[in-house]
Amino acid sequence: AQSVTQPDIHITVSEGASLELRCNYSYGATPYLFWYVQSPGQGLQLLLKYFSGDTLVQGIKGFEAEFKRSQSSFNLRKPSVHWSDAAEYFCAVYNTNAGKSTFGDGTTLTVKP
Amino acid sequence: GAGVSQTPSNKVTEKGKYVELRCDPISGHTALYWYRQSLGQGPEFLIYFQGTGAADDSGLPNDRFFAVRPEGSVSTLKIQRTERGDSAVYLCASSLTQAETQYFGPGTRLLVL
Repeated sequence: AQSVTQPDIHITVSEGASLELRCNYSYGATPYLFWYVQSPGQGLQLLLKYFSGDTLVQGIKGFEAEFKRSQSSFNLRKPSVHWSDAAEYFCAVYNTNAGKSTFGDGTTLTVKP
Repeated sequence: GAGVSQTPSNKVTEKGKYVELRCDPISGHTALYWYRQSLGQGPEFLIYFQGTGAADDSGLPNDRFFAVRPEGSVSTLKIQRTERGDSAVYLCASSLTQAETQYFGPGTRLLVL
């Protein structure tokens, strides 16, 4: 069965500092991986995705993520965080056979001024 | 173009009542998904439609939950004899076909008193 673990429930960083959010997945085949962001009261917005090819993927808002098969990880990074990045971030793995996504429980990002 | 829309945005009901939640996917998207998100957790898969048929309903928690998509576009999630534990945000997503990026609606926040 597929699963996603986001080890950090809550992360606080200072504005302008770098950010890394961790995601580990369990899936039997080559995974389709996603990062979404959710602001309070808002729907999920896709930040970036990995289907195949280059293991370093670029997304919107200056985010990037690196797929590491050997570590079963897909960590999200941003070199310089802005106050508007404060939100909840979800990693997900998509099961191409069953047509469903499994999400982690999310990491809440707080940005200090 | 318009994104995924969901109505109502909020629904308050009493224990034991019947509710219907509606999802309007992006035009032309053949795949439609329902998820449930409880407080502090990531979205949990409920059901996936490809066209008019439910391709995978393994996430429906019990037989009080049912979903339809009669014309392959709009979908309705139906919950009978609601319980307080059904309180959550119900998210709908659509994608062009299976294994394509899912785009999420803003969700319906259901509160069962």
